[in-house]
Amino acid sequence: AQSVTQPDIHITVSEGASLELRCNYSYGATPYLFWYVQSPGQGLQLLLKYFSGDTLVQGIKGFEAEFKRSQSSFNLRKPSVHWSDAAEYFCAVVFTGGGNKLTFGTGTQLKVEL
Amino acid sequence: NAGVTQTPKFQVLKTGQSMTLQCAQDMNHEYMSWYRQDPGMGLRLIHYSVGAGITDQGEVPNGYNVSRSTTEDFPLRLLSAAPSQTSVYFCASSYGGTSGGARDIQYFGAGTRLSVL
Repeated sequence: AQSVTQPDIHITVSEGASLELRCNYSYGATPYLFWYVQSPGQGLQLLLKYFSGDTLVQGIKGFEAEFKRSQSSFNLRKPSVHWSDAAEYFCAVVFTGGGNKLTFGTGTQLKVEL
Repeated sequence: NAGVTQTPKFQVLKTGQSMTLQCAQDMNHEYMSWYRQDPGMGLRLIHYSVGAGITDQGEVPNGYNVSRSTTEDFPLRLLSAAPSQTSVYFCASSYGGTSGGARDIQYFGAGTRLSVL
């Protein structure tokens, strides 16, 4: 079955430390891949996306993500976290043939310690 | 641009009451969708529409109705609210609809927080 997994429910990092949020998908082909961020009480904002080509993609707010076909992964990274990055992060995919329908992971809540 | 506007922001209902969650977008997007967000479950698709007059079910459609009479609006109706429908509801829209658009970015509203007592 097609699915998206974010194995880390909560992550705590110190301000200035590096960050990696994990995302894996289960699918026979390469889906379209997205990372969204949700600040408290807000809607979702797109951080970055991957469709094809260069497997390292840059997004907004200093985030990047790397697609690894062999691992069916699309992990989100940031070299130095800021306190304002505290939020919930969602990995989402559109499985080809599924129209525009986004399938979301369960989310990772990021806490930043000052 | 206002983007995707959801009203109300908060709502409390009693079991059995009905209500409509409003969603409007001003970007001339063909595709619109409703999600519910529950702790530990991410966002799950309720219903979606690829254009005016066309709707279809998502992953969790039971207890919800939708219609799409205009490009701009996509209301979500709860005919008889149940405590299990306590959730945060998000509306989203994107450019592609019947013409496709799996790569299109979806824009989300700020959400409606619904409590059913």
